Amino acid sequence: AQSVTQPDIHITVSEGASLELRCNYSYGATPYLFWYVQSPGQGLQLLLKYFSGDTLVQGIKGFEAEFKRSQSSFNLRKPSVHWSDAAEYFCAVATTSGTYKYIFGTGTRLKVLA
Amino acid sequence: DAMVIQNPRYQVTQFGKPVTLSCSQTLNHNVMYWYQQKSSQAPKLLFHYYDKDFNNEADTPDNFQSRRPNTSFCFLDIRSPGLGDAAMYLCATSPRQGVRPQHFGDGTRLSIL
Repeated sequence: AQSVTQPDIHITVSEGASLELRCNYSYGATPYLFWYVQSPGQGLQLLLKYFSGDTLVQGIKGFEAEFKRSQSSFNLRKPSVHWSDAAEYFCAVATTSGTYKYIFGTGTRLKVLA
Repeated sequence: DAMVIQNPRYQVTQFGKPVTLSCSQTLNHNVMYWYQQKSSQAPKLLFHYYDKDFNNEADTPDNFQSRRPNTSFCFLDIRSPGLGDAAMYLCATSPRQGVRPQHFGDGTRLSIL
């Protein structure tokens, strides 16, 4: 069955520290992968996406993610976290049968310490 | 220059009283989605429109309906809201062709009294 797993429900980092948020997927075909960020009371904003090609993708706000097929992972990274990065982060895979729909992970809530 | 606009941002209704949430888009996208998101959970797809074709998720309660009178607008109707329907409702759009990112509105927070 298709699924997305985000093993970490909560992560706390200090401002200026590096960040890695984990995402593992289970999908039979070539995955189309996304990372979204959601600030409290807001909708989801696209950070980056992977469709094909270079396995290291750059996104907005200084984020990047690396697709590793052998590990079925698409982890999100940022070298230096800012207080404004505190939010909920969702990984998603798009199904490619019929109309494209997302399978979301359960999300990781990031807390940033000053 | 908001592209997916949801109104209202906050909606309060009474138990059992019908309520309608609105979504409009300026992107001219063919596909519009409605999600329900409860606290600390991932968004859950309720249904989507592919142009005028309505696609309901198998586990979406009959209490939830949707209308799409034209490309730009889509409505979510909850016929008899229960306490369990209190949630954030998110609208999203995407182009028809190929896999494209979905664009989300800021959501409507629905409270049930």
